[in-house]
Amino acid sequence: AQSVTQPDIHITVSEGASLELRCNYSYGATPYLFWYVQSPGQGLQLLLKYFSGDTLVQGIKGFEAEFKRSQSSFNLRKPSVHWSDAAEYFCAVGAYNQGGKLIFGQGTELSVKP
Amino acid sequence: SQTIHQWPATLVQPVGSPLSLECTVEGTSNPNLYWYRQAAGRGLQLLFYSVGIGQISSEVPQNLSASRPQDRQFILSSKKLLLSDSGFYLCAWSGGSGGQNTEAFFGQGTRLTVV
Repeated sequence: AQSVTQPDIHITVSEGASLELRCNYSYGATPYLFWYVQSPGQGLQLLLKYFSGDTLVQGIKGFEAEFKRSQSSFNLRKPSVHWSDAAEYFCAVGAYNQGGKLIFGQGTELSVKP
Repeated sequence: SQTIHQWPATLVQPVGSPLSLECTVEGTSNPNLYWYRQAAGRGLQLLFYSVGIGQISSEVPQNLSASRPQDRQFILSSKKLLLSDSGFYLCAWSGGSGGQNTEAFFGQGTRLTVV
């Protein structure tokens, strides 16, 4: 079955600390991978995406993610977290040329301590 | 530039009442359109998608229906709401105007509470 797993429901980090949010997927075809961020009561904003090529992708707001095919993972990282990064983060997987037909993980809520 | 509008932002409806949520996209033509639902504490689940006027695909059986009366308009409806229909509904679009269908752009969402 196709699925996305985000093992951490809630993570708290101190401002300035590094961050890694985990994402594992199970997908029958070549996966196209995405990370979205959602502020409370808002829609989703795309942070970054991976289709092919360099397995380390850079996104907006200083985020990056690394695709590891052997581990079926696409973890999101940021070297230094800012208080404004507090939000919910969703990993998603889709297929080529089906940009909006996505399977989402359950999300990871990030809290940032001052 | 392309924009997506979704309304209303918040809605409280009694059980058994009808529902109509509207989504429109500007700045592109022939987009793929999607309705997602986000239940409390859960991820997003794709409900419907449309690749053209009058073309609707349902991803999960439910009490809801979708229609696409115009190229850039997508409507989510129900004849009789259930308590379990409560949630956060998000409209999204991708592709369009002959471009690559490589990512989805989401609206701001509608918070539906069925009481």
